[in-house]
Amino acid sequence: NAGVTQTPKFRVLKTGQSMTLLCAQDMNHEYMYWYRQDPGMGLRLIHYSVGEGTTAKGEVPDGYNVSRLKKQNFLLGLESAAPSQTSVYFCASDNKAIYEQYFGPGTRLTVT
Amino acid sequence: TQLLEQSPQFLSIQEGENLTVYCNSSSVFSSLQWYRQEPGEGPVLLVTVVTGGEVKKLKRLTFQFGDARKDSSLHITAAQPGDTGLYLCAGRKAAGNKLTFGGGTRVLVKP
Repeated sequence: NAGVTQTPKFRVLKTGQSMTLLCAQDMNHEYMYWYRQDPGMGLRLIHYSVGEGTTAKGEVPDGYNVSRLKKQNFLLGLESAAPSQTSVYFCASDNKAIYEQYFGPGTRLTVT
Repeated sequence: TQLLEQSPQFLSIQEGENLTVYCNSSSVFSSLQWYRQEPGEGPVLLVTVVTGGEVKKLKRLTFQFGDARKDSSLHITAAQPGDTGLYLCAGRKAAGNKLTFGGGTRVLVKP
């Protein structure tokens, strides 16, 4: 039982490049989330999904897009990376019944 | 401006000392959670409090939810080096599953 996994673990991009971060969970959770973590800012919600085929904006959605084509996967895309998107990105999942979010190990992204 | 303010931002103490971390808001939350995060890993849930005035204990950790459900505290008794980490509070509003996180308190317990 792997829980929540994220790919890749590290990435360096140049300004203007694009990339996709992949999150996968094997707990059959309905809800999935993408956060970014910056020093002193805690975790800020980028986008989230309450079920397959649905997505919604969080607190800081600008510059990011997401897709949830399969229940177990949640993809985060950066179409044109900017230095302000340098951060650690965490994916999480949960169910309404349990209210405990399970987090992946994070992806450290640097945009130069 | 963050909805949940944690204080202090950083705490360094000697093994055996006690510490308290605070999480404050002007908003009411239906529940509040505390997570601990170690370097290179994602946060892991420690506790959920849902009732105003509730106190929960987890070994040497004591969690309290304010009567008005706007604030919470985490107290560690006789801290150990294994308690070192980033402590995050997170609040949930009545509707939906979304969590709002505080900025975190980095705790360092020196042997």
